[in-house]
Amino acid sequence: EAGVAQSPRYKIIEKRQSVAFWCNPISGHATLYWYQQILGQGPKLLIQFQNNGVVDDSQLPKDRFSAERLKGVDSTLKIQPAKLEDSAVYLCASSARRNYGYTFGSGTRLTVV
Amino acid sequence: DQQVKQNSPSLSVQEGRISILNCDYTNSMFDYFLWYKKYPAEGPTFLISISSIKDKNEDGRFTVFLNKSAKHLSLHIVPSQPGDSAVYFCAASAGGGSNYKLTFGKGTLLTVNP
Repeated sequence: EAGVAQSPRYKIIEKRQSVAFWCNPISGHATLYWYQQILGQGPKLLIQFQNNGVVDDSQLPKDRFSAERLKGVDSTLKIQPAKLEDSAVYLCASSARRNYGYTFGSGTRLTVV
Repeated sequence: DQQVKQNSPSLSVQEGRISILNCDYTNSMFDYFLWYKKYPAEGPTFLISISSIKDKNEDGRFTVFLNKSAKHLSLHIVPSQPGDSAVYFCAASAGGGSNYKLTFGKGTLLTVNP
């Protein structure tokens, strides 16, 4: 079974620029999550999709972050404009059944300078 | 408000000894708990889980204990191996289906010395 694919692995941008991350979940996983992990902290949920509908985006900074999941498969997360405090690893995860937890991708490390 | 707390940022143990990683939670609605392991430059990987209807779950060298009255869980690794050196995250969820989402602690860096 292929894992959760994310790209790019690394990205360096200047503040006020825009950036986009892509995620392809495990085939058949209906639920997709985007998490932000700042250095020294645990992953924090940004947005949760069930198929192509948003279930929870309460912690997504909607003035600058947006996400979509077209056709209930791939997803993109966008930041526009980026701030220094957005420097973090952005993790995508998908799940099928609760007792198996999530499967995470390798993440995208974003550095905003 | 941190609902899942891992108060030890790091832990160092000798190879062959027991590693005990601790986690506390504050949300009484949490009913499912998981441990994840993370190596540098990789995403977290699922290690072991426990439902609130149990107080212990074992998988090989890994055992998770849950004390609901104390809102505390722990992960025991016996015997510890150098390959176990990683960051360990405790996570919890309340509810299933479309409400299934995990809240993570800050993690504990485990170093197993040869």
